[in-house]
Parts: sequence; C-alpha cells; structure tokens
Amino acid sequence: AQSVSQHNHHVILSEAASLELGCNYSYGGTVNLFWYVQYPGQHLQLLLKYFSGDPLVKGIKGFEAEFIKSKFSFNLRKPSVQWSDTAEYFCAVSNSGGYQKVTFGIGTKLQVIP
Amino acid sequence: DTGVSQDPRHKITKRGQNVTFRCDPISEHNRLYWYRQTLGQGPEFLTYFQNEAQLEKSRLLSDRFSAERPKGSFSTLEIQRTEQGDSAMYLCASTRDSDLGTQYFGPGTRLLVL
Repeated sequence: AQSVSQHNHHVILSEAASLELGCNYSYGGTVNLFWYVQYPGQHLQLLLKYFSGDPLVKGIKGFEAEFIKSKFSFNLRKPSVQWSDTAEYFCAVSNSGGYQKVTFGIGTKLQVIP
Repeated sequence: DTGVSQDPRHKITKRGQNVTFRCDPISEHNRLYWYRQTLGQGPEFLTYFQNEAQLEKSRLLSDRFSAERPKGSFSTLEIQRTEQGDSAMYLCASTRDSDLGTQYFGPGTRLLVL
C-alpha cells in the first residue's frame, strides 16, 4: 500500500522568505507525484506533478518540486513566498498504472505574514 | 470552463437518516473518484468509477455506503443510517484517460451528522 508523509503540519513564514515543504512517500512501484493546494474557501487544485523525465518540475505561481528517487522524496520549494500563498498544501502519490487512485498526505498549513 | 460540481455543498442530518450526494464531473471525463476528508487529514480514497463501472472500493466504504454512476456521467454517493463518525467533507474528482494522474476536484459536500 502506498503512503505519504508530510513533515511539517503548520508553517509560518514572513513574506519574501524561502519555503521548503518536505514530503516522503512509500510505494513499491513506479509512481506519479503531486502537490495540490487548497486556498482558503476554495477547492483542491493541482500545483504541480511529476510523471517521468526531469526530476525538477515547475508548477504554477513560482513553485517547484524535486523528485529524489533514492530518498523517496518530493519536496516543494519556492524561493520567495507571498501573502497570497497562504493555503494548505497536500503532497500526493498515485501508482502510474491501473486506477490511479491518489493517496494524500496529511497536509501542511502555510501561513504567510505580510 | 465548467469544473466538477457537487450538490449539496452542505448537509446537516440526524443520526440514522439517509443522505445522498451528487457529483457532476467535467464532461468527457470517463474516470470519477470519491474521497472523504476529515478535519486535520488529507483526502482519503473511497471509490473509483471508469465510465459506469465501479472498479475499486476502499475498505473505508462500509456496507452503509453505496455509490453509483448509472450512465457514466454524474455519480451519487449514498450513506444509509448515518453515524456521527460519517461527518466529513466528501470530495469528488474526475479525469480522463488522456490526462491520467491529474484529477480535477469539486468543491465538496460537507456533511454534519448530529
């Protein structure tokens, strides 16, 4: 069974600070990896995804994530956060074949202080 | 762009009552997923449809839960004899074969069982 572990449940940063959210997954096969974001009052939306190829993937709003296979990690980064990045961030994994059901981490609430 | 819609957005019911939720996926999306999210947790997979066929059900889906997708378009999730532990956000997501792995989420139905 696949599982996802997010290291930080609540992060508070000042604007312009750098962000790194940790994510590790457990799965025996080939995986697809995702970061989803949920802004206050909105529904889940895809931030970025990794299927294959370049392990450094870029998403919307200046976010990027790096897939390190040897560490089973897919950390999310942004060099300079803005107040509008305040949201909850979910790391997720799905098997690359079959039904592609997604397993989510517990989520990290990011609060950016102006 | 019509996204995934869910109805109702909120539902308050008394323990022991039956409730039914509806999900309308993005048109032409043949894959549909139901998830449940409780406070402080990430979404958890409940069930998956490919067209009208229900291909996978989580062990979380007790026999009080049933889901259908009769014509391969909208889906319903019914909970019979609701319990307080059923209180959660019920999320629907859809995708299509050509967009594998990228699931588009609806706003969810928040259920409160009194």
